[in-house]
Amino acid sequence: GNSVTQMEGPVTLSEEAFLTINCTYTATGYPSLFWYVQYPGEGLQLLLKATKADDKGSNKGFEATYRKETTSFHLEKGSVQVSDSAVYFCALSDQSGAGSYQLTFGKGTKLSVIP
Amino acid sequence: DTGVSQNPRHKITKRGQNVTFRCDPISEHNRLYWYRQTLGQGPEFLTYFQNEAQLEKSRLLSDRFSAERPKGSFSTLEIQRTEQGDSAMYLCASSFRPGQDYEQYFGPGTRLTVT
Repeated sequence: GNSVTQMEGPVTLSEEAFLTINCTYTATGYPSLFWYVQYPGEGLQLLLKATKADDKGSNKGFEATYRKETTSFHLEKGSVQVSDSAVYFCALSDQSGAGSYQLTFGKGTKLSVIP
Repeated sequence: DTGVSQNPRHKITKRGQNVTFRCDPISEHNRLYWYRQTLGQGPEFLTYFQNEAQLEKSRLLSDRFSAERPKGSFSTLEIQRTEQGDSAMYLCASSFRPGQDYEQYFGPGTRLTVT
């Protein structure tokens, strides 16, 4: 079956530090890959996505590249801000037998950025 | 676009009682998903509707759980004879397929506490 493994948290960084959150996946088909973010007290929001190998998703200074050879989709940001403090979820979507394209999520990585 | 809404936002109930949650998807979204998220974990897929048809159910969805989507609009998730293990955040998401994009938009969730 499908699975997503992401870096255990929590991660604490100083403002303007470089961020990497590792994510690897196992899938039976050719999944689309996503990073979702959950800010305190809010719902899940899509941060970025990539739908095929070598695609790079980017948004709000965050980037992730779909690496089929290493089955990875690591999230990076060059300079984090306090407002980036949130829980980050890596997820994949693959066509199931019933065609639901349900999302399979990792456990989440809590990021805290201190001034 | 008013986003996905869920009601109630919080529900506290005693073990053995029945509860019902409502999800209103983004209008014109024909796909609707329910997920469950427990503390420290990523969301897990429960069930999926395309229009009014429930096309897939996870093994997590025991026979105490039932979901409906009459007329392909809003959806309800009912849990009968609640157990303490049902305490979780219940998330609803909707999507629409223009081309190959199955991006899912999440509601804020309903937090259930079973005492």
